[in-house]
Amino acid sequence: EAQVTQNPRYLITVTGKKLTVTCSQNMNHEYMSWYRQDPGLGLRQIYYSMNVEVTDKGDVPEGYKVSRKEKRNFPLILESPSPNQTSLYFCASSFLSSEGLGNEQFFGPGTRLTVL
Amino acid sequence: DQQVKQNSPSLSVQEGRISILNCDYTNSMFDYFLWYKKYPAEGPTFLISISSIKDKNEDGRFTVFLNKSAKHLSLHIVPSQPGDSAVYFCAAAQGGKLIFGQGTELSVKP
Repeated sequence: EAQVTQNPRYLITVTGKKLTVTCSQNMNHEYMSWYRQDPGLGLRQIYYSMNVEVTDKGDVPEGYKVSRKEKRNFPLILESPSPNQTSLYFCASSFLSSEGLGNEQFFGPGTRLTVL
Repeated sequence: DQQVKQNSPSLSVQEGRISILNCDYTNSMFDYFLWYKKYPAEGPTFLISISSIKDKNEDGRFTVFLNKSAKHLSLHIVPSQPGDSAVYFCAAAQGGKLIFGQGTELSVKP
């Protein structure tokens, strides 16, 4: 089954304790991206990757790191989480057309993170 | 500053009628516009997209209209069904960046 998986689905942690949220897709997509969803703000892009070893900042990259060593995986790293990073996080992937991001992005089920 | 705005947080429509969801943007360099639907506790699902060089795209009950001079796009759902009740997000793409609006919660009443 074609899908984007995220782990963990739920996480409660404390300020300053490094954590990684994994994201994996099995559709051979070039493009992967991370978003956070907060009430009243919609989804905001954190980082994206157009291909292996190519990553770029989205709108809200501060406090996050990513890596794209393999095509299928795009982990999100919080080196020193803070309470303002409490949010619902989504990973997504898609093929890239020559015109850009017009193709369907497939989203994972979300990771609900609470930082105390 | 919000580059993509959905000014209506909610919309209520009768089953069988048309639902019109609106979205405004400020950046004329966006090259694609997309609509996503989201149910609680699930990731967003893609509905329909439109290239900036077109003004209309249709897929079944869903039609997206793009008015570049007004920097406005809209999603029409005809006829609306109770299963369409969800939060709808518009999004605008420029290169690899994707910027979402705040969402509009659509409620379709039987």
